[in-house]
Amino acid sequence: GQSLEQPSEVTAVEGAIVQINCTYQTSGFYGLSWYQQHDGGAPTFLSYNALDGLEETGRFSSFLSRSDSYGYLLLQELQMKDSASYFCAVWGGKLIFGQGTELSVKP
Amino acid sequence: DGGITQSPKYLFRKEGQNVTLSCEQNLNHDAMYWYRQDPGQGLRLIYYSQIVNDFQKGDIAEGYSVSREKKESFPLTVTSAQKNPTAFYLCASSAGTNYEQYFGPGTRLTVT
Repeated sequence: GQSLEQPSEVTAVEGAIVQINCTYQTSGFYGLSWYQQHDGGAPTFLSYNALDGLEETGRFSSFLSRSDSYGYLLLQELQMKDSASYFCAVWGGKLIFGQGTELSVKP
Repeated sequence: DGGITQSPKYLFRKEGQNVTLSCEQNLNHDAMYWYRQDPGQGLRLIYYSQIVNDFQKGDIAEGYSVSREKKESFPLTVTSAQKNPTAFYLCASSAGTNYEQYFGPGTRLTVT
């Protein structure tokens, strides 16, 4: 079977750094994606890691360790608008999504 | 502007009725997808299509049907056989079969 684990909720303050972890068990793994979804809205693509290491895109970075079946999304200089749900998703020819982490950014 | 449109945003139906959800894209993408999202849950794949006139079942296809007669359109029918149809339905597309998918605004279906 395939499964992904990520924390259900994370709270942080504006300006801080937060890390959202994702562990996965899957067959046919090509890479790990991250998506952001604001309440009731459309998910939007943030990043993709096919190889081990850190990928940086502005304030957001994503990390993958294939040997540990583990990845994380790092959000720096948090802003109120970053309050949203964040989903990791395994790519193996189709996307398998985790249950999402609801991030609340407090002033 | 290129994008994906889904209509309507909210849909209400009585139990036992079939209902069709619309999804249109003008991104010239070959692949299209339907996902279901339940409260506090991730997205689950219902059906996907990589090319016109072809589609494959996803993880939870039972009680759903699709068609792909045009590249731009991928309607989803929720049939009366679907036991728990009330959910948020999201359509997506991608350039080829791709991890980077573009999502529509979703249709929230309520069946009573």
